Amino acid sequence: EAQVTQNPRYLITVTGKKLTVTCSQNMNHEYMSWYRQDPGLGLRQIYYSMNVEVTDKGDVPEGYKVSRKEKRNFPLILESPSPNQTSLYFCASSFSVGGRPKAFFGQGTRLTVV
Amino acid sequence: GIQVEQSPPDLILQEGANSTLRCNFSDSVNNLQWFHQNPWGQLINLFYIPSGTKQNGRLSATTVATERYSLLYISSSQTTDSGVYFCAVRAGTASKLTFGTGTRLQVTL
Repeated sequence: EAQVTQNPRYLITVTGKKLTVTCSQNMNHEYMSWYRQDPGLGLRQIYYSMNVEVTDKGDVPEGYKVSRKEKRNFPLILESPSPNQTSLYFCASSFSVGGRPKAFFGQGTRLTVV
Repeated sequence: GIQVEQSPPDLILQEGANSTLRCNFSDSVNNLQWFHQNPWGQLINLFYIPSGTKQNGRLSATTVATERYSLLYISSSQTTDSGVYFCAVRAGTASKLTFGTGTRLQVTL
């Protein structure tokens, strides 16, 4: 079954304690990205990756890091989380066949930083 | 960057009613998708529809690219249709999807 898997689904952590949210896709997609969803702001892109070892900033990259060492995995790293990073995070992967791109999303990770 | 506006922001329907959700965007797009976020937070891809009309069961969508809007129709609504509906677009050579702020739908018995 084609899917994007994020872990953990829920996380409560303390300010400053480094954490990683993992994302894995089994569809061999080249393009992957991270979004955060906040009330009244919708989903905003944090980082994206066009392929292995190719990453770039989205709209709200401050406070986040990513890596893309292999095609299937795209972890989101918060080196020193702060309360304003409390949010719902989504990982997505997408492909384009014949000019028809389509995005698939993970189940979401609800992060609370206290 | 491109702006995406959705209306209405909130909608309450009785089960069995029909509804139309609208998405306006400020620039030409080469990708438009509708998503449903269920009450558990999961995002479900409903339609990929940069232009034209598509139907899937009780749902259908129409995008008029020249007039920069898209409509999502929900017919004979059910309580399981509750959640937030997002429109997302990609413009030009941009690599990201830009999301609207969503329409929150509640279907009551």
